[in-house]
This record gives sequence, structure tokens and C-alpha cells, in this order.
Amino acid sequence: SQQGEEDPQALSIQEGENATMNCSYKTSINNLQWYRQNSGRGLVHLILIRSNEREKHSGRLRVTLDTSKKSSSLLITASRAADTASYFCALPGGGYNKLIFGAGTRLAVHP
Amino acid sequence: EPEVTQTPSHQVTQMGQEVILRCVPISNHLYFYWYRQILGQKVEFLVSFYNNEISEKSEIFDDQFSVERPDGSNFTLKIRSTKLEDSAMYFCASSGPTSPETQYFGPGTRLLVL
Repeated sequence: SQQGEEDPQALSIQEGENATMNCSYKTSINNLQWYRQNSGRGLVHLILIRSNEREKHSGRLRVTLDTSKKSSSLLITASRAADTASYFCALPGGGYNKLIFGAGTRLAVHP
Repeated sequence: EPEVTQTPSHQVTQMGQEVILRCVPISNHLYFYWYRQILGQKVEFLVSFYNNEISEKSEIFDDQFSVERPDGSNFTLKIRSTKLEDSAMYFCASSGPTSPETQYFGPGTRLLVL
């Protein structure tokens, strides 16, 4: 069955540095999404990348997808303290748009 | 920007009691979902709802759970007889017709069963 795993589990950086987190998955997908969750809050959609795309940008976010390696990465450039959150990749679970979430990467950006 | 809203933000209940969690999805969205997140664990899919019926449900979504869209704007999750292990954050989400894969989540209801 489908499963997503983020790496690293936790990441601590200084403001201004770049943050990279990775997601690996098991079975073929037609898209992959990244979400952010601030502590105790809801999930915020960041970006969706489709299987025929290799890279996508949104502001300071850059997402790559390597379907041959079944992996994706999320890069946040010039990080800010406000980027402190947990970041999840979400995979299609088949059927009616069910999403399968990984355990997430906890990012802490220190001023 | 339109957003998904949920009420209440927190709910404390006694084991065995019924609870109803409410959600107002984004107005032109057609697909509705409930997920839950037990403290410290992954976000788990519970159920999806489309065209006034359940389209998919997980093994967590047993006979104690039900969903309803009573009036064309609200979307509710009912737990008939709560158990201690139902304590979790419950998230409602919705997605629209042009990009149904992209789900927009509400802020969640934190349910504590004592």
C-alpha cells in the first residue's frame, strides 16, 4: 500500500538559510502535494506537482519530483522564523482523492 | 480568500457521549473530507463525501461514525458513542471541481474524550 516518508524528521536552521526536506514513496503516483502545519493548527496547501513535471516553484518554495527514484524534495530558500512548522508530503491514496500523509518534517527556523 | 471553517475549536466529552463536529466547506467545492490526527501521529484519512454520499471510508470509520451534509453548506461528522481513543484533532477539508486533488483544510476541532 502507499506510504510516504519524510526525511529528516526534524531540521533546525538559522534565518536566511535554505531548508531542504525530502519525501519518498512506494508506489507510482500521478501527483504529489506538500502541506504545512503550524503547531496545533490546520494544514495549509503549499504546492502540487504532477508526475509529468520535474520541478515547480512557488515564491520561495521549490519542489522537485523524481518518479524514477520515487522521491520528492521541498526547498525553502532564505528561510524566515515564520517558516517554523511541520511539513508533510501528501500522496494520492487512490479512489476519491483520499490523501495519505507522511509523518512530516519539523522545521525550526531561529532568528 | 475563502476558507474552510470548523466548530467548535475544542470539545471535551465523556466516554460514551455523542459528539457532532461541524464544518463549513468552501462554497463552490464539491468534495468533502474528514481526517484526524492523534497527538504526535500522522494525519489519517477517515472519509470522503461527494454528491451527497460517502465515496470512500477508511477502516477507522466504523459504525460509530457518520457524516451528513444537512443543508447544502454544513458538513458534519458524528461520533455516536465516543471512546477514549477517539481523542484527536479532527480536520475537515474540501476540494473544488477544477483541481479536486488539492484539498483545503479547516483549522480543526480538538476532541478530548474523558
